[in-house]
Amino acid sequence: DADVTQTPRNRITKTGKRIMLECSQTKGHDRMYWYRQDPGLGLRLIYYSFDVKDINKGEISDGYSVSRQAQAKFSLSLESAIPNQTALYFCATSDPRSLAGEVGEQFFGPGTRLTVL
Amino acid sequence: AQSVTQLDSHVSVSEGTPVLLRCNYSSSYSPSLFWYVQHPNKGLQLLLKYTSAATLVKGINGFEAEFKKSETSFHLTKPSAHMSDAAEYFCVVRAVSAGRRALTFGSGTRLQVQP
Repeated sequence: DADVTQTPRNRITKTGKRIMLECSQTKGHDRMYWYRQDPGLGLRLIYYSFDVKDINKGEISDGYSVSRQAQAKFSLSLESAIPNQTALYFCATSDPRSLAGEVGEQFFGPGTRLTVL
Repeated sequence: AQSVTQLDSHVSVSEGTPVLLRCNYSSSYSPSLFWYVQHPNKGLQLLLKYTSAATLVKGINGFEAEFKKSETSFHLTKPSAHMSDAAEYFCVVRAVSAGRRALTFGSGTRLQVQP
């Protein structure tokens, strides 16, 4: 979905390096999410933010941190990357004020493929 | 707690034949349920959603799903597969935890469509 963009789309890095993945949205949604996708495991929630001042841990937040710089921007950082953080990372947004958002529908970015060597 | 189980990790069908992707869920509350599709190297796209209105839900590209509370199932079907349907499909339940709402994803079903 072009309304949710992620940069970079692909990244290869080495163990111990600091990495930042960025997400921007033009949908005007308050809620933003970071997920990681691993084969056979579906998507798992890392962090989520319901507004600029609200940050919450998801089910697998260890080793990650986030920053909500503005309503439209939500960054995910790996302070010291390790190989088992190799995965496909997705950003998503939702708008609880809409009918779709009220029932939980989320809009996903195209993903960032991260490889940690 | 909420969870969702996709019963098949891979499904292979021939073009023009019916598609059935199976999903069972558990939820302590009346759930919202979704099917998302992920085409290769693409993000996730919503196919359809159940929100306690009609139990038979129609989505995009000819897909539909039926919510069966007694069976705790939300299987995805399509009468006739097309080559462009080849993708990974995720069944998703809206979870309620500590007053917050998040999506819980199934592990995915990869659909192959043979010519």
